[in-house]
Amino acid sequence: NAGVTQTPKFRILKIGQSMTLQCTQDMNHNYMYWYRQDPGMGLKLIYYSVGAGITDKGEVPNGYNVSRSTTEDFPLRLELAAPSQTSVYFCASSDTGWAPEQFFGPGTRLTVL
Amino acid sequence: QQQVKQSPQSLIVQKGGISIINCAYENTAFDYFPWYQQFPGKGPALLIAIRPDVSEKKEGRFTISFNKSAKQFSLHIMDSQPGDSATYFCAAITSGGSYIPTFGRGTSLIVHP
Repeated sequence: NAGVTQTPKFRILKIGQSMTLQCTQDMNHNYMYWYRQDPGMGLKLIYYSVGAGITDKGEVPNGYNVSRSTTEDFPLRLELAAPSQTSVYFCASSDTGWAPEQFFGPGTRLTVL
Repeated sequence: QQQVKQSPQSLIVQKGGISIINCAYENTAFDYFPWYQQFPGKGPALLIAIRPDVSEKKEGRFTISFNKSAKQFSLHIMDSQPGDSATYFCAAITSGGSYIPTFGRGTSLIVHP
């Protein structure tokens, strides 16, 4: 199993540009999440999904959009990028049941200039 | 309102020493408590997890101690090694509920050789 994969690993955007961060998991997990992590800070939840077709806002959703058309994929869309969106983005997935811990992807480092 | 308080924010120990990181929670509905380890440039990875029906869980040099009445749990790293230098996050989950984890803010551990 590849686990949770994210692309791209790095990206530089200009202010006002848009992009999609890709996330795929092969563990058949129902739950998927997007977090951002700023230097020296913890993890802030942007959006999450409890299954295909179902998404909901987390703590910091402004400036982002998500979709979940399949169990495996959970892309994060940035519209009109702003310098405040410079961060490292992590996708994660989890199962429900006895061991609901999250599995994280390797991250995407995004810089908006 | 931060529902999981993690301390200390940073920790420096000598090789061979014991590293102790503490977390306290408020929501008594939490019933699953994972710890994550994150190396620079990588995504967080599950280290060890515990349920409140046990007071301690040990895996190698890593031990979780759990105090249900005090609503506190801690990570002990015995015989700390320079390779343990990383950021550690505690989390709390309500399984059977939302399954959305609440994370502590993280502890940056440095182990000096």
